[in-house]
Amino acid sequence: DTEVTQTPKHLVMGMTNKKSLKCEQHMGHRAMYWYKQKAKKPPELMFVYSYEKLSINESVPSRFSPECPNSSLLNLHLHALQPEDSALYLCASSPIRDGGYEQYFGPGTRLTVT
Amino acid sequence: GESVGLHLPTLSVQEGDNSIINCAYSNSASDYFIWYKQESGKGPQFIIDIRSNMDKRQGQRVTVLLNKTVKHLSLQIAATQPGDSAVYFCAENMNGNNRLAFGKGNQVVVIP
Repeated sequence: DTEVTQTPKHLVMGMTNKKSLKCEQHMGHRAMYWYKQKAKKPPELMFVYSYEKLSINESVPSRFSPECPNSSLLNLHLHALQPEDSALYLCASSPIRDGGYEQYFGPGTRLTVT
Repeated sequence: GESVGLHLPTLSVQEGDNSIINCAYSNSASDYFIWYKQESGKGPQFIIDIRSNMDKRQGQRVTVLLNKTVKHLSLQIAATQPGDSAVYFCAENMNGNNRLAFGKGNQVVVIP
């Protein structure tokens, strides 16, 4: 199984709502990532989890709260978002080994904040 | 931080011709490079990678070339097909630190 799954595919939420994005992989990867991607732009790294511990936070606002309940699951909790947070949110996973390895991406969640 | 960039925003290519997508990187410490393909409405899909101890790597219809002297990376697609229409991103990694830096992206449009 070389697939990263993400739910939901689409999400519309108001600025006062609380919602969560979910990501799952069963490749045994111990690194998992959240990216944000605006239209016609490259993915921008938000968070990295290594061995279920947060290892990188790219100065993301606290209205985005990541969580890694176990080695297969990654969540992104959303609260009090702004319209400019509307974007495609991508999850990825990769092995952890010396030298760097490809990250496998999910299809993304298309988020619209109204 | 240093960035990875692409020269051409859009490449139009006739079906059956070869495509070449270029990428300039500025971080000389980067030692691992990846090309991703992203179709509309989908996540990036891994195409091919190359490590800094190599200058060429071939896959199925794709070849990646790495020129460390001028910090240049290219992706060649042979016999381009309509299904190759997508945005292509190069990405670099430094010292296996789990942080990929993506280039700006290059739209490839295949003309039937």
